[in-house]
Amino acid sequence: DAKTTQPPSMDCAEGRAANLPCNHSTISGNEYVYWYRQIHSQGPQYIIHGLKNNETNEMASLIITEDRKSSTLILPHATLRDTAVYYCIVRVRGGGADGLTFGKGTHLIIQP
Amino acid sequence: DAGVIQSPRHEVTEMGQEVTLRCKPISGHNSLFWYRQTMMRGLELLIYFNNNVPIDDSGMPEDRFSAKMPNASFSTLKIQPSEPRDSAVYFCASSFPGLGYNEQFFGPGTRLTVL
Repeated sequence: DAKTTQPPSMDCAEGRAANLPCNHSTISGNEYVYWYRQIHSQGPQYIIHGLKNNETNEMASLIITEDRKSSTLILPHATLRDTAVYYCIVRVRGGGADGLTFGKGTHLIIQP
Repeated sequence: DAGVIQSPRHEVTEMGQEVTLRCKPISGHNSLFWYRQTMMRGLELLIYFNNNVPIDDSGMPEDRFSAKMPNASFSTLKIQPSEPRDSAVYFCASSFPGLGYNEQFFGPGTRLTVL
């Protein structure tokens, strides 16, 4: 039961902003949006999460629409090292420390 | 900070053999997760523990799979007997309540090949 929809792949030029969309039209009021990424041959890595306000950290920014049915992860100045599969996940915050449900994600390719 | 440690990093075995994968979570983390990744099925949660107690093992594919967490610093995932379709990368992850369990820290994975 996929809770999120993401494009399978995207390209972005190095140095430009990479904007990764995610649709989560059935999100519940107590569910947060989480983003993880997986660089080739490595374990997934947490990026950011949010509920309804825009969030920013040292890695990325997360923009959530007012109706919370979609969001965009922004990597402001993409580098070649940002080439990875990016996963958008909807879950209850903390979720009682339950597991993550990964979809297929978006394969972001940063072009030199 | 050693991060989550998994061993072995690579395992090649023959069908029918027993396989044991090991995980050491980050010190102080009290939740531990086992995931499996294949090309066909992507990343799947197999089982997770809170405070060494298994909470949800509904993702364990069948009785050939078992997982234990005898203490806060060690967990094993055992496959007996192994089959070629068990070939995958197995990830262990841990988290802790300090940040509301928001972030799971993943290990480098064990690449299992069953011939």
